[in-house]
Amino acid sequence: DGGITQSPKYLFRKEGQNVTLSCEQNLNHDAMYWYRQDPGQGLRLIYYSQIVNDFQKGDIAEGYSVSREKKESFPLTVTSAQKNPTAFYLCASSPHGRGVYEQYFGPGTRLTVT
Amino acid sequence: AQTVTQSQPEMSVQEAETVTLSCTYDTSESDYYLFWYKQPPSRQMILVIRQEAYKQQNATENRFSVNFQKAAKSFSLKISDSQLGDAAMYFCAYTTQGGSEKLVFGKGTKLTVNP
Repeated sequence: DGGITQSPKYLFRKEGQNVTLSCEQNLNHDAMYWYRQDPGQGLRLIYYSQIVNDFQKGDIAEGYSVSREKKESFPLTVTSAQKNPTAFYLCASSPHGRGVYEQYFGPGTRLTVT
Repeated sequence: AQTVTQSQPEMSVQEAETVTLSCTYDTSESDYYLFWYKQPPSRQMILVIRQEAYKQQNATENRFSVNFQKAAKSFSLKISDSQLGDAAMYFCAYTTQGGSEKLVFGKGTKLTVNP
């Protein structure tokens, strides 16, 4: 089935460690996005990519990094510079530029840093 | 900057009744898209309905419909014949046509459906 996968569902790390969250899609979508969700907040955009080998910062990019080496993959690294990394992270994709603007979401990864 | 406001942090409805969730947005753009997403306890974000700003007709999807008031920048979601499975967080979101198509989300409304 086509869709977006994020792994793992739960991730635990010690403070000071970098951690990479996986996001893969087989929808042949050009654009991919990373959002962060905190309690009582909507989703906030971290990074997005419209094409391979190109990406842009979102509203809260500090302490995060991404890569887009393949169309189907958009991993997010939470670095030790991120001051409050514990959150729920959602990856999304959309068929950019085809007149369809809704985004399709993965199941999310809950990251806990202690 | 574009903003999306959901003024109702929580709402409740009796099963089989109708409920309306409010959303207002702020933009200077003329072409844009509006969405309602549902996030059940599983936390999977599910698209409920979309509305193109250039369309005057309100979008409907089965029991879900919107009241889109472009001049007032209002985009409310009406759920008819509410079901227990409708219980979730509902997020209103906005994006412009062309460009990055970044979604701007409201903070959400938690809907409880009482049996």
